[in-house]
Amino acid sequence: QSALTQPPSASGSPGQSVTISCTGTSSDIGVYDYVSWYQHRPGEAPKLMIYEVNKRPSGVPDRFSGSRSGNTASLTVSGLQADDEADYFCTSYAGDDNYVFGTGTKVTVL
Amino acid sequence: EVHLVVSGGGLVQPGGSLRLSCSASGFTFSGYSMHWVRQAPGKALEYVSAISNDGGSIFYADSVEGRFIISRDNSENTLYLQMSSLRVEDTAVYYCVKGQRRITRLYGMDVWGQGTTVSVSS
Repeated sequence: QSALTQPPSASGSPGQSVTISCTGTSSDIGVYDYVSWYQHRPGEAPKLMIYEVNKRPSGVPDRFSGSRSGNTASLTVSGLQADDEADYFCTSYAGDDNYVFGTGTKVTVL
Repeated sequence: EVHLVVSGGGLVQPGGSLRLSCSASGFTFSGYSMHWVRQAPGKALEYVSAISNDGGSIFYADSVEGRFIISRDNSENTLYLQMSSLRVEDTAVYYCVKGQRRITRLYGMDVWGQGTTVSVSS
């Protein structure tokens, strides 16, 4: 199973929006409604930000939103804040009890 | 608050063994699946193994099948990963992750532990 493809980096100024893509195949993102996004700050455990494509866990600001089109899922962070600077990675259920992860995107707040 | 604390990582020679433990707290451990995920240096995260809430369903990635054994002790709120016949390519940070449901399939994972480093080298 190949990793999901994410851009290595993304950036935006405070208050702007940034969108991160996560491209898979018709065997994972394209067929299952189970895409999650995580925020990973250095030295901390990854934190779930979005699950089942577009659902936010309790406590996650509504500035974070998820979507999917075909084999590509996206995470949008609106109203960028300095605290949003982190690595973000996606994951999708891939069938046969397996999951596949994204290559990760480093978000920089300029 | 959910906490997952992993221990047991370290340096081991190729062909050696290690056992990782993940001590869980803050939730009803016996009600959720548990998962192991690893990240080798410079590589994407890799899904390694998973176990359903009651241990009745287990998954292994092809890369570890036959060498790793996942288990859990619901009375001790602890998840284990017994790693044998370790290879250089098993070198990675290993994460213990709580599943969102009792089953391992579909729903994915929510809470991650901090991770422990396993280094396989002669």
